Amino acid sequence: AQSVTQLDSHVSVSEGTPVLLRCNYSSSYSPSLFWYVQHPNKGLQLLLKYTSAATLVKGINGFEAEFKKSETSFHLTKPSAHMSDAAEYFCVVTEFTNAGKSTFGDGTTLTVKP
Amino acid sequence: DGGITQSPKYLFRKEGQNVTLSCEQNLNHDAMYWYRQDPGQGLRLIYYSQIVNDFQKGDIAEGYSVSREKKESFPLTVTSAQKNPTAFYLCASSTGHTDTQYFGPGTRLTVL
Repeated sequence: AQSVTQLDSHVSVSEGTPVLLRCNYSSSYSPSLFWYVQHPNKGLQLLLKYTSAATLVKGINGFEAEFKKSETSFHLTKPSAHMSDAAEYFCVVTEFTNAGKSTFGDGTTLTVKP
Repeated sequence: DGGITQSPKYLFRKEGQNVTLSCEQNLNHDAMYWYRQDPGQGLRLIYYSQIVNDFQKGDIAEGYSVSREKKESFPLTVTSAQKNPTAFYLCASSTGHTDTQYFGPGTRLTVL
């Protein structure tokens, strides 16, 4: 069985400071893990994905995430927040054996203060 | 221009009416998905299809129906049996079921 928990429903940072959005997952098999971003009333856009290659994954817009199997975590980070990063972020887990079914976290709303 | 489109963007329906949401993709993807999003919640899977003429129920299929007669199209019908249909509906597609999903812009359905 697969599950995902986003540990913070809201995160607020100042522009130019680091961003950390936390995600823990549970999976019986080697999972694929994704981070998506959603701006208001829009569809989701892929930020990055992990598929059992390098554990440190670099994505778009300066985001990266590290897959830590021992901690079952896949936290999303960015060194310096920009105003345009304000959005909702979703962590997603998919197992190969769970054909067609991804599990989405409840989302983290990121606010960036000027 | 490759992508996935949903129409309409906003949809209003009276109670007791069925309504169909459109989803079209020209990415040549085999898999397609329908999700429902409610405020403050993640996406919940309604139906998915891994190949033409085949689809499976997701976690919240009751009150919904789909068809997959063409590779590029996966319409969703919200029936009168769906007790609380007001939500934001997102369609997605992917090459395979563990691959990146590409999302449409969504349809916001409001029941009056």
